[in-house]
This record gives sequence, C-alpha cells and structure tokens, in this order.
Amino acid sequence: NAGVTQTPKFRILKIGQSMTLQCTQDMNHNYMYWYRQDPGMGLKLIYYSVGAGITDKGEVPNGYNVSRSTTEDFPLRLELAAPSQTSVYFCASSFGSGTGAYGYTFGSGTRLTVV
Amino acid sequence: QQPVQSPQAVILREGEDAVINCSSSKALYSVHWYRQKHGEAPVFLMILLKGGEQKGHEKISASFNEKKQQSSLYLTASQLSYSGTYFCGTGDSGAGSYQLTFGKGTKLSVIP
Repeated sequence: NAGVTQTPKFRILKIGQSMTLQCTQDMNHNYMYWYRQDPGMGLKLIYYSVGAGITDKGEVPNGYNVSRSTTEDFPLRLELAAPSQTSVYFCASSFGSGTGAYGYTFGSGTRLTVV
Repeated sequence: QQPVQSPQAVILREGEDAVINCSSSKALYSVHWYRQKHGEAPVFLMILLKGGEQKGHEKISASFNEKKQQSSLYLTASQLSYSGTYFCGTGDSGAGSYQLTFGKGTKLSVIP
C-alpha cells in the first residue's frame, strides 16, 4: 500500500499565482485533513473532510480551498499565493468515528515557497 | 487552543530516560502522540482516550490524566533512533475529536 501520496514535493510560486496540491490515499479512510507546518509552530489545521462531498474549515483556512469528490482524493487549492503561505503542507487521513480514536497517517509533505 | 508541551528541547545520552509532557486548558477526550524526524512526515506513535488505559509498547509508553488535562510520553532506555520532534495532538470532545490541535513539539536529541 502506498498510504498517503502528496504531489508535488517542492514548488516555488510567484506572488499572485495559483496552484493545487494533490493528495490521495489508498487506505479507504473516510477522514482527510490538510495541515501546514511552520518552523517552531507545530501543525495548524487548514481544512478537513469527514467523507466525500463534506468539507469544513480548520483553524487557518484563509487563502485556501478544498474539494472532496471521492474518498481517495483531497486536493488543496491556493488562490493568489502570498509570502505568508510559504510553509510545509501535510495531508493526512484516518478512520473516523467522531471519537478521535484512530491515528493519522501523514503524507510526505509539500514544501512551498512563495516569492 | 494549542496544548503546551514541555520541555521544548532535551538532549539525552543513549540509555537515558525522558518524559515529555502535554497540557491543555480544555477538557480532553483524546490525546495522540507523533514523532517527526527532520525533513519527514509525522509518524503516529499512540493514542489515549478518556477513560482508557495507559498505552505503550516496548520502551515508549504514555499516560493520560483526565482531571489535570495532561498527558505524558515516557521514553525508556533511549536509542539513537528516538531522536526527532515529538508532537502531542489533543481532541476536546467525543463528537468533534476528528479535529486535533497539535502542540509546538519537543525536540529530542539522543547522542552516543
């Protein structure tokens, strides 16, 4: 099993450009998440999804959008990139029952630099 | 609200023990622990649920004090492979625990 696959691994964007970070999982997990990680700050939740067609905002959603058309895929869209969006982005997935009883599997991350 | 981890960093010699603490201002339902090596993704270690037992395997274990809203991760007889940054993630209600809030991490360095 591949687990959680993220593409690309690295990307440099110019201010104002847009891009989509891809995330796919093959574990049939119903819950998926997008986090960003800045040095010394831990992981901040951007968006999450509890199943196909259902998404909701996390702690830091501004400047991002998501969609979940299938169980496997959860792309993250950056519109009008800003330097503040320079970060490492992690996609994660888990089984979920609303009790937080299952561990997360993380992808290998996308390192994004906005210049 | 982000849980507070302590210490922020610790250096151990091989074979020494360490304790990493995670405290929250909210009543907790679940606590997750992850380890992240430099340049890699976080890896799930264990989970503790309200009313559950202390979890662990081999030389890494954890406890969850619901009344104090705290969890501790215990690393016994540390090995070089234990080096990395440890994160706790907390869920504060049974219905909404699919959202974890992560601490800032504790950097653990094990030296020969």
